[in-house]
Amino acid sequence: ELKVEQNPLFLSMQEGKNYTIYCNYSTTSDRLYWYRQDPGKSLESLFVLLSNGAVKQEGRLMASLDTKARLSTLHITAAVHDLSATYFCAVEPDTGKLIFGQGTTLQVKP
Amino acid sequence: DAGITQSPRHKVTETGTPVTLRCHQTENHRYMYWYRQDPGHGLRLIHYSYGVKDTDKGEVSDGYSVSRSKTEDFLLTLESATSSQTSVYFCAISGRPGTGGSHNEQFFGPGTRLTVL
Repeated sequence: ELKVEQNPLFLSMQEGKNYTIYCNYSTTSDRLYWYRQDPGKSLESLFVLLSNGAVKQEGRLMASLDTKARLSTLHITAAVHDLSATYFCAVEPDTGKLIFGQGTTLQVKP
Repeated sequence: DAGITQSPRHKVTETGTPVTLRCHQTENHRYMYWYRQDPGHGLRLIHYSYGVKDTDKGEVSDGYSVSRSKTEDFLLTLESATSSQTSVYFCAISGRPGTGGSHNEQFFGPGTRLTVL
């Protein structure tokens, strides 16, 4: 059974601090996606990682993919309150079928 | 905004009644998906479509059926709703024309909150 596991599931951090969210998966996949969800809202696409070693950055967020280790990371630099949300990773073992992690709820405190 | 709407946005129904949720897109994307979101489970794929009248099952398809008679609409039907189907349902699309399926970034609709009493 394919599993996608995120950790931590909940993260409370102070503004200005750095932290990393981990996404481990149990089968081969060259594609990994990160999404953001605000409470009561839909999912917003953040990053699309399409190959081993891919790294993408947008503002204070940086995502990377290591397909050999079956690991993706989402690094947060100098967190601000606006980054408070739930973050999901998803892998694509078969074309069109995404398997999502449980989500990591990030709370950034002033 | 990827031009996806879902209707209704909220629905309360009783156990045993049929329910149909609609997803409508204006982007001419080839693929459409239905997910459910429950606490602690992330999103789970119910059914998906790779073209008009072409559909397939996802990981949690029991109790659900789908239809796609035209590119822009994808319907999800609960033939006889149960309390375990209380959830938030999201539709998603992918396969923008001209991309050749080079990647499969999915864009999500606003969601439908369904409560089965």
